[in-house]
Amino acid sequence: QVHLQESGPGLVMPSETLSLTCTVSGGSINSYYWSWIRQPPGKGPEWIGYIYYSGSTDYNPSLKSRVTISVDTSKNQFSLKVNSVTPADTAVYYCARESSYFGSGSSFDYWGQGTLVTVSS
Amino acid sequence: DIQMTQSPSSLSASVGDRVTITCRASQTITRFLNWYQQKPGKAPKLLIYAASSLQSGVPSRFSGSGSGTDFTLTISSLQPEDFATYYCQQSYSLPNTFGQGTKLEIK
Repeated sequence: QVHLQESGPGLVMPSETLSLTCTVSGGSINSYYWSWIRQPPGKGPEWIGYIYYSGSTDYNPSLKSRVTISVDTSKNQFSLKVNSVTPADTAVYYCARESSYFGSGSSFDYWGQGTLVTVSS
Repeated sequence: DIQMTQSPSSLSASVGDRVTITCRASQTITRFLNWYQQKPGKAPKLLIYAASSLQSGVPSRFSGSGSGTDFTLTISSLQPEDFATYYCQQSYSLPNTFGQGTKLEIK
């Protein structure tokens, strides 16, 4: 059974960088796309971006200028950095695995438990 | 971005009821539509992928249908553990986008 676990600070100061890591256990990080998704309090989820195990990435245009996702296959981990954060970046941040279907469709079939990140001074 | 609109936003129902939730995409997404269930304080859980395929381990009272722009999630006979918020999500084109959610409450 694949298990994902987010880790990182729960409080970030405005204008600083939010950094989170997702550790994958129970399976290899190879051969899948791995995403970060966030959910502001009381709102629906928002996809941030993904990384393939090879290192290729794609990001939501709404966040692209501030986001970097990286992968460390030797540790079965992938990471998220969001710079220049504001209170609007306060959310529960999830990491998730994407599984493909019909060749180009995908769904998020495994999720971490989520970690609340608050941006405040 | 493709906008996903769910209706209703909230719904009250009783155990044993048949319930249908609708999701409409702002443009065609063929069958690249997924449904998730989220309970308070928990991560979303995949129920249905590719519009109508039941994820492994999900009870058969959940079903999905639709194609193009209009989709439905049906729960044939509500159980106490089904009261939650449900989200649709499209994977036809990036960025992946989710609906605003439908909160299913006990009547």
